[in-house]
Amino acid sequence: EAGVAQSPRYKIIEKRQSVAFWCNPISGHATLYWYQQILGQGPKLLIQFQNNGVVDDSQLPKDRFSAERLKGVDSTLKIQPAKLEDSAVYLCASSSGLPYGYTFGSGTRLTVV
Amino acid sequence: EDQVTQSPEALRLQEGESSSLNCSYTVSGLRGLFWYRQDPGKGPEFLFTLYSAGEEKEKERLKATLTKKESFLHITAPKPEDSATYLCAVQGSSNTGKLIFGQGTTLQVKP
Repeated sequence: EAGVAQSPRYKIIEKRQSVAFWCNPISGHATLYWYQQILGQGPKLLIQFQNNGVVDDSQLPKDRFSAERLKGVDSTLKIQPAKLEDSAVYLCASSSGLPYGYTFGSGTRLTVV
Repeated sequence: EDQVTQSPEALRLQEGESSSLNCSYTVSGLRGLFWYRQDPGKGPEFLFTLYSAGEEKEKERLKATLTKKESFLHITAPKPEDSATYLCAVQGSSNTGKLIFGQGTTLQVKP
């Protein structure tokens, strides 16, 4: 079974620039998550999709972050404009439900300078 | 509000020296408690799900246990390849199914 694919692996941008991350979940997984992991901390949920609908985006900074899930499969997360505090690893995960937990991708490491 | 606290933040062991990692949690209606392993530069890798107090699960040198307030990840006779960050997360019945993570315990096993 193919895992969760994310790209790019690394990105360095200047503050106030924009950036986009892409995620392709495991085939058949209806639920897709974007998490933000700041160095030394545990992952924090940004947004959760069920198929192509948003289930939870309560912790997404909507003034600068946006996300969409096209046709209930691939997803993109965008930041515009980026701030220094957005430097983190952005993890995408998908799930088919308990008891399997989530399957995470390798993440995109974003550095804002 | 659902909350997870892990201790210690960092742990150094000699190869073969057994120990335990702690995960204390507060959640409204526990649906599941999850343990993940995270290697540098990689996403978290699923280890276990525990559902109710008294439940135990094992995988190689790892054993996870659960009480009503905390979970322990016991590591028996660790090897250097067990070095990683171990993350604990909970899923409560009051939320949408999202996982709330602790900050992790970074384990280093020296040969």
